[in-house]
Amino acid sequence: GAVVSQHPSWVICKSGTSVKIECRSLDFQATTMFWYRQFPKQSLMLMATSNEGSKATYEQGVEKDKFLINHASLTLSTLTVTSAHPEDSSFYICSAVPVGRSEYEQYFGPGTRLTVT
Amino acid sequence: QKEVEQNSGPLSVPEGAIASLNCTYSDRGSQSFFWYRQYSGKSPELIMSIYSNGDKEDGRFTAQLNKASQYVSLLIRDSQPSDSATYLCAVNAGGTSYGKLTFGQGTILTVHP
Repeated sequence: GAVVSQHPSWVICKSGTSVKIECRSLDFQATTMFWYRQFPKQSLMLMATSNEGSKATYEQGVEKDKFLINHASLTLSTLTVTSAHPEDSSFYICSAVPVGRSEYEQYFGPGTRLTVT
Repeated sequence: QKEVEQNSGPLSVPEGAIASLNCTYSDRGSQSFFWYRQYSGKSPELIMSIYSNGDKEDGRFTAQLNKASQYVSLLIRDSQPSDSATYLCAVNAGGTSYGKLTFGQGTILTVHP
């Protein structure tokens, strides 16, 4: 149990276009999901906390108008990278917390590798 | 200043040996500590969590926490080649930082036959 999926697993897009990444909890409901970014040979950096039915909370330095997060249901959160540029190329990973469980019991998705050309 | 620091390695140990991974953190108020394993190109997988001073054992893994020294470690006994991965230390500050994890840069572990 506690499976999180992400779609797509990888995507290549042209500079200036927008890309949507989906994070789904397949066998549980999640009030809270987290979005991380990981550059090559670096650690995960928390971008934002996504709460179902409310606005996401962004970490300092993360542009909320560029990285749009929508958590419309208890099983789906989406991250849209708007007007993507090559420096946005990264590995984007989401995690989800099952309803009623400790917020530290995060289950990570398999990640989405974004390449902007 | 980094909030969570790890030796990036690589740490190389022979099969069957004990691998020792270390992590220090800067926020003295940190409450919760985690070790994740990440294989190349994959997402992190939780191995251990520890919340109070002392040792916590789970199979071949032992986490050690010393809040006074702001230090947390992970020992892997009887290391296997399949343990070769990057190990990430993660810390949560508690309080209003609900679920927020700050990760270290990770230590690359290589277990050679």
